[in-house]
Amino acid sequence: DQQVKQNSPSLSVQEGRISILNCDYTNSMFDYFLWYKKYPAEGPTFLISISSIKDKNEDGRFTVFLNKSAKHLSLHIVPSQPGDSAVYFCAALTYGQNFVFGPGTRLSVLP
Amino acid sequence: DAMVIQNPRYQVTQFGKPVTLSCSQTLNHNVMYWYQQKSSQAPKLLFHYYDKDFNNEADTPDNFQSRRPNTSFCFLDIRSPGLGDAAMYLCATSTAGTGANEQFFGPGTRLTVL
Repeated sequence: DQQVKQNSPSLSVQEGRISILNCDYTNSMFDYFLWYKKYPAEGPTFLISISSIKDKNEDGRFTVFLNKSAKHLSLHIVPSQPGDSAVYFCAALTYGQNFVFGPGTRLSVLP
Repeated sequence: DAMVIQNPRYQVTQFGKPVTLSCSQTLNHNVMYWYQQKSSQAPKLLFHYYDKDFNNEADTPDNFQSRRPNTSFCFLDIRSPGLGDAAMYLCATSTAGTGANEQFFGPGTRLTVL
């Protein structure tokens, strides 16, 4: 039973355009969400997070939106750059519990 | 630079031959995790240490054991690797505090079982 879902295994976007990566979750107790980026042969690195008391968090080109009623969050990358090509994992947790990761979405930014 | 280090990066073992993967950290984090990740799947938590307290996930096979001799090091022992244990093994660390904290990952060890 997947508690965190990323229904798009892959996404291709033109350089300079917006990349939108989606994540859905089923556990309404999750109260903190994170996005990790993973390059080949490297471990995941933290990108951006959002608490359930917010609906938006922005850091440079990266913005995460949270829709609690829909149990949905998304990561927007604007403008997309070739160096953004990686696998993006959505993760969720309830305070005091461990992370639950989604299966990842592979983003390819085409020059 | 403070970091999470995993050795070796690539490990090949034979079916049934015990293997140990190692993780070290210079972040002085009190929590260390081991994840198993298979191709195109989410990282799956195997167990974690909160300081010296060992926490095993309910569905982690008995074949997998872990040791944490000190704050800096944590080992994953696979007693009798099967073909299904071939995967990327990720070590991560975090601080345990009053809020949610990000985890810092090592580069992973890719295990091949022949």
